[in-house]
Amino acid sequence: QVQLQESGPGLVKPSQTLSLSCTVSGVSMSSDPYFWSWIRQPAGKGLEYIGRIYASGTTNYNPSLKSRVTISIDTSKNQFSLQLSSVTAADTAVYYCARGVALDYWGQGTLVTVSS
Amino acid sequence: DAVMTQSPLFLSVTLGQPASISCTSSQSFVFSDGNTYLNWFQQRPGQSPRRLIYKVSNRDAGVPDRFSGSGSGTDFTLQISRVEAEDVGVYYCFQGTHGPSFGQGTKVEIK
Repeated sequence: QVQLQESGPGLVKPSQTLSLSCTVSGVSMSSDPYFWSWIRQPAGKGLEYIGRIYASGTTNYNPSLKSRVTISIDTSKNQFSLQLSSVTAADTAVYYCARGVALDYWGQGTLVTVSS
Repeated sequence: DAVMTQSPLFLSVTLGQPASISCTSSQSFVFSDGNTYLNWFQQRPGQSPRRLIYKVSNRDAGVPDRFSGSGSGTDFTLQISRVEAEDVGVYYCFQGTHGPSFGQGTKVEIK
């Protein structure tokens, strides 16, 4: 059974960099290549696609966030990561990781609050 | 990039009655492999999204057969044949190939 689990600080100060990891189990990221995605959801609002990375390292980012987002992958650890720089209160959200072009498996989500 | 627009944004349905949600794309997004990666997700209150339908019309395992997806080109529909209490939540369409993007979401409540 494929499972994804987000981890990282729940509180980030304004202007700093938000860093999250997603640990994948039940599938080998190196032998079963998929796209791996990050999505976020501010409280009471809809889902926003942040970006994704392929096993090879190829990335696609939401144009509205592209200048601040970096997604990386470590197939040896079966993990991929999100960095979002220069955060503001508008980046406060539940952040999800998910698998594939069709987002068939999701993590449970982790709340990140941007506040001083 | 394809922009996804859902309607209605709010749906109040009597138990046992049908419901239909529309999703329109700003452009066709047939992928190079010939597939249209249009997916539907359900998000119940307090839960992570759960995929219901993939590639327009394929139900995921465990999804009740009262849910069905249809459409082609730029117009897609999620239908619930008989709404049950557990269907309350927000439904999102999503295309994963042409600048991945979600629709705004449609909130379904029981009348």
